[in-house]
Amino acid sequence: GAVVSQHPSWVICKSGTSVKIECRSLDFQATTMFWYRQFPKQSLMLMATSNEGSKATYEQGVEKDKFLINHASLTLSTLTVTSAHPEDSSFYICSALGIQSLRQYFGPGTRLTVT
Amino acid sequence: DQQVKQNSPSLSVQEGRISILNCDYTNSMFDYFLWYKKYPAEGPTFLISISSIKDKNEDGRFTVFLNKSAKHLSLHIVPSQPGDSAVYFCAASALAQGGSEKLVFGKGTKLTVNP
Repeated sequence: GAVVSQHPSWVICKSGTSVKIECRSLDFQATTMFWYRQFPKQSLMLMATSNEGSKATYEQGVEKDKFLINHASLTLSTLTVTSAHPEDSSFYICSALGIQSLRQYFGPGTRLTVT
Repeated sequence: DQQVKQNSPSLSVQEGRISILNCDYTNSMFDYFLWYKKYPAEGPTFLISISSIKDKNEDGRFTVFLNKSAKHLSLHIVPSQPGDSAVYFCAASALAQGGSEKLVFGKGTKLTVNP
């Protein structure tokens, strides 16, 4: 099956710093990648849709200047949490949609803790 | 307004018996539904999907039933195994008529299968 990786799997940073999370589709090309956030005992909430070579589309209520998304190639999308605050602590998950595919393949997630 | 609802946060069944997980949706534009299985600190794993043109889809021990008039779907697992213990998410998307591959997730149901 299709494999999606995320790096790092776990990160702790200080308040005010920025953190970059990478999402890679390892064995297929992904024209579209999605970024989700999950708080404890909550659903996965879509943050933004990232299309290769174009600007990301953010969901309502998600600050695009705070959560910078770059989808520079068909196998890599990055999410940068800028000026992180403790309330940004969450589990961030990406997914990748293959070309002509209806199915999203999810990465293993990144646990971000902001102290 | 939650468009995809999983009203049971948890479910406990005996090994060998049937597990039935329920999901309701409110958006009549949804035409593609998926079930994902998720372990703690991991990304969701695709289980099974169903298009709105069908009312049933079966894959091994997993069967998904769709009742469009009731806007209800369910996942049946039979026989249930201890390894099935996880959180199950129902997700929906509106693909037809130029819709998006964006998935809307329910809050999940934690299934525990007791040996």
